[in-house]
Amino acid sequence: QKEVEQDPGPLSVPEGAIVSLNCTYSNSAFQYFMWYRQYSRKGPELLMYTYSSGNKEDGRFTAQVDKSSKYISLFIRDSQPSDSATYLCAMRTGNQFYFGTGTSLTVIP
Amino acid sequence: TAGITQAPTSQILAAGRSMTLRCTQDMRHNAMYWYRQDLGLGLRLIHYSNTAGTTGKGEVPDGYSVSRANTDDFPLTLASAVPSQTSVYFCASRGILGTGGDGYTFGSGTRLTVV
Repeated sequence: QKEVEQDPGPLSVPEGAIVSLNCTYSNSAFQYFMWYRQYSRKGPELLMYTYSSGNKEDGRFTAQVDKSSKYISLFIRDSQPSDSATYLCAMRTGNQFYFGTGTSLTVIP
Repeated sequence: TAGITQAPTSQILAAGRSMTLRCTQDMRHNAMYWYRQDLGLGLRLIHYSNTAGTTGKGEVPDGYSVSRANTDDFPLTLASAVPSQTSVYFCASRGILGTGGDGYTFGSGTRLTVV
């Protein structure tokens, strides 16, 4: 079983839709949870991070962590064509990072 | 702009040849990493270095070697390339270990095709 599971999609939504991206994990030692955004032919860039359970909001983006269910989510409100990218979840325990395989998102104008 | 510079951006390499992928950062980060990214497999750690002078093996180290002579540079060498090493290679760095809420800074990648 992989440490981190992420549905690869692809996910295609109309502009303005609410997008929900999710990851599940198996290691209860994970404490730091991150979302990266990767545009085509570019490196991943850190989008959001949270520590332990709870929600964090940044503009149109909300990161949610449910440690009891070992489940994290990224919500994108009022999605824009510029949000079209691959989104990777990542988790850390100590100095060990684990990445999901990424979900490809396309927002159609 | 501070960040990570990788070179070359792309390369076609004959099987059996050697090659060094270059990575330089200007953020004075202690930790540096090499990942390969393959469709359906995501990012897989090849080698890492927690500080200058030290290196360690990641998930898929076979066929690759690294060195860390100073803080800024972390080259990745393929001694004798094979087609299964065709991939996109990302170098990354991270600040002081142990700080909460941190993450990696990635380079733009090197697309390598071994034929």
